[in-house]
Amino acid sequence: DTAVSQTPKYLVTQMGNDKSIKCEQNLGHDTMYWYKQDSKKFLKIMFSYNNKELIINETVPNRFSPKSPDKAHLNLHINSLELGDSAVYFCASSQEGTGVYGYTFGSGTRLTVV
Amino acid sequence: SQKIEQNSEALNIQEGKTATLTCNYTNYSPAYLQWYRQDPGRGPVFLLLIRENEKEKRKERLKVTFDTTLKQSLFHITASQPADSATYLCALVPTDSWGKLQFGAGTQVVVTP
Repeated sequence: DTAVSQTPKYLVTQMGNDKSIKCEQNLGHDTMYWYKQDSKKFLKIMFSYNNKELIINETVPNRFSPKSPDKAHLNLHINSLELGDSAVYFCASSQEGTGVYGYTFGSGTRLTVV
Repeated sequence: SQKIEQNSEALNIQEGKTATLTCNYTNYSPAYLQWYRQDPGRGPVFLLLIRENEKEKRKERLKVTFDTTLKQSLFHITASQPADSATYLCALVPTDSWGKLQFGAGTQVVVTP
């Protein structure tokens, strides 16, 4: 059973397109996150949702919009894709909002904008 | 500025030896610090957490220390095995930013038979 699953695993698209990445967790966790891992391997938090409510929104362009239809799902929609958006995007979840018990990550979505 | 620094050079180690990784942080007051393992093409996997009032934590062949005076955590893999080859990330949660887990860039460990 996959705990945190993301689709698609790979996404290649042209500049200017709109794309979505889906994430689902079956752990019953209250909090979900989106992280971006750039070419230098730094993982940076983008968003955090707790029970469908947005609680962390880092300095991310408005072109990125998360949506959480229920506490098991957190999707990421990206409008007008740019070359600099190319990265690996990770979804994660934690039992509660502080992450004191650790985060469970998905396997990532490698986005390549050409 | 705030920084979490891990050795960017890969650590090459012979099987059976102890691998020691360093995580230094600047301008953070972490409530706790975590270590993750990341394999190529996979997401990070949580290994251990150590709180600010704990000096040492162990889990099987893993040991983590936390020195808030030095602003440093050490991660040890004892009796290393080729299967331990991966990138190890340290991460911390600042007391003023609960939920914002901040990561270092990771150190790659290569264990050779």
